[in-house]
Amino acid sequence: EVQLVESGGGLVKPGGSLRLSCAASGFTFNDYSMNWVRQAPGKGLEWVSSISSTSASIYYVDSVKGRFTISRDNAKNSLYLQMNSLRAEDTAVYYCARVQGSMVRGVIRYYYDYWGQGTLVTVSS
Amino acid sequence: EIVMTQSPATLSVSPGERATLSCRASQSVSSNLAWYQQKPGQAPRLLIYGASTRATGFPARFSGSGSGTEFTLTISSLQSEDFAVYYCQQYNNWPTFGQGTKVEIK
Repeated sequence: EVQLVESGGGLVKPGGSLRLSCAASGFTFNDYSMNWVRQAPGKGLEWVSSISSTSASIYYVDSVKGRFTISRDNAKNSLYLQMNSLRAEDTAVYYCARVQGSMVRGVIRYYYDYWGQGTLVTVSS
Repeated sequence: EIVMTQSPATLSVSPGERATLSCRASQSVSSNLAWYQQKPGQAPRLLIYGASTRATGFPARFSGSGSGTEFTLTISSLQSEDFAVYYCQQYNNWPTFGQGTKVEIK
């Protein structure tokens, strides 16, 4: 059974940092690209970041570029999101998600077949 | 960025009735369209991909159709467990989601 379990969320002040983790099991982790998708309270879904199976290709939504860093450790079946310089508008539930689809000429064409339960990040003073 | 627009925002339906949800893309996404179901306090769950292929675990009362810019999710006879928020997502380009349609009990 595929399982994705996020951790690391919490309350942080504007300008602060957090590191999210996602522990994967039930599938061959290093065969899949992985993404982070977030959902602000009461709002819709927003793709945040993507990392390929070997970490060779990494992408971010413009609003987090230069502040967030995605990474993975295939030996530990784990995905990470280092979030720095956090802003109030980063407040959201952050989901890790397993990718299906392809990358075509540097553009990711992904949908998500498995999601974790999410971890809440609240940025507030 | 491809903008996805879902309608209606809220759909009130009686159990056993048919529900029809719409999703429109700002430019063609071919058949690269997925639908997700999200219940309160839960993660989204993949429902449909490729515009019309049902994901594992969903019954045949769920069906997807469309291509290009216009897509439809139909639930033929609503059951109590189907009341949820449904999101469409295009993956013809950088992934973007619609704002969701809440299916509530009438």
